[in-house]
Amino acid sequence: DAKTTQPTSMDCAEGRAANLPCNHSTISGNEYVYWYRQIHSQGPQYIIHGLKNNETNEMASLIITEDRKSSTLILPHATLRDTAVYYCIVSRETSGSRLTFGEGTQLTVNP
Amino acid sequence: DTGVSQDPRHKITKRGQNVTFRCDPISEHNRLYWYRQTLGQGPEFLTYFQNEAQLEKSRLLSDRFSAERPKGSFSTLEIQRTEQGDSAMYLCASSLGRGELLRYTFGSGTRLTVV
Repeated sequence: DAKTTQPTSMDCAEGRAANLPCNHSTISGNEYVYWYRQIHSQGPQYIIHGLKNNETNEMASLIITEDRKSSTLILPHATLRDTAVYYCIVSRETSGSRLTFGEGTQLTVNP
Repeated sequence: DTGVSQDPRHKITKRGQNVTFRCDPISEHNRLYWYRQTLGQGPEFLTYFQNEAQLEKSRLLSDRFSAERPKGSFSTLEIQRTEQGDSAMYLCASSLGRGELLRYTFGSGTRLTVV
């Protein structure tokens, strides 16, 4: 699986958009980009995933660059409850695959 | 969908004792995963099951660790002769095992403290 690089921490003001970057310059053509988050003392929670196209769901938007070497997770209107560690994971979706977590980005949403 | 349940939420044990954790996955999910997480680190993969078959075990899973998933439903993770280094959050997750293979649902974890 391709390695990912994320900033250790970020801050965002409540109500503003939070843009979390992820670098995955060694990604291969059949690898997906997955985002999870983990609120303190809870298990990780799936947010969104994509292969090539930008994706949007009720939680967030995922913007993948055309060369697929980086992506950005966008929380359009961050709330205090979005304070969490956000993990960007790149992996193929084959039967033997499983999630490999890095250290993620600690996002703190400030009032 | 009642989510993934883990029991107990917290466990304090003395060094050398055996402990067992239980995970109840989402009923239609045929894949079940165990992860371990220490403070400040991301979750580390331990093992996973497809139905009742244990398909992969991490090198992190020493001989003191054993996991089962009888009948492909709930799973148990047992740690024998616990050591202080076993103190961690133990997370269970499940997935459909087809389609979006990496879309997991995690439980809230069992926090183990070995004293």
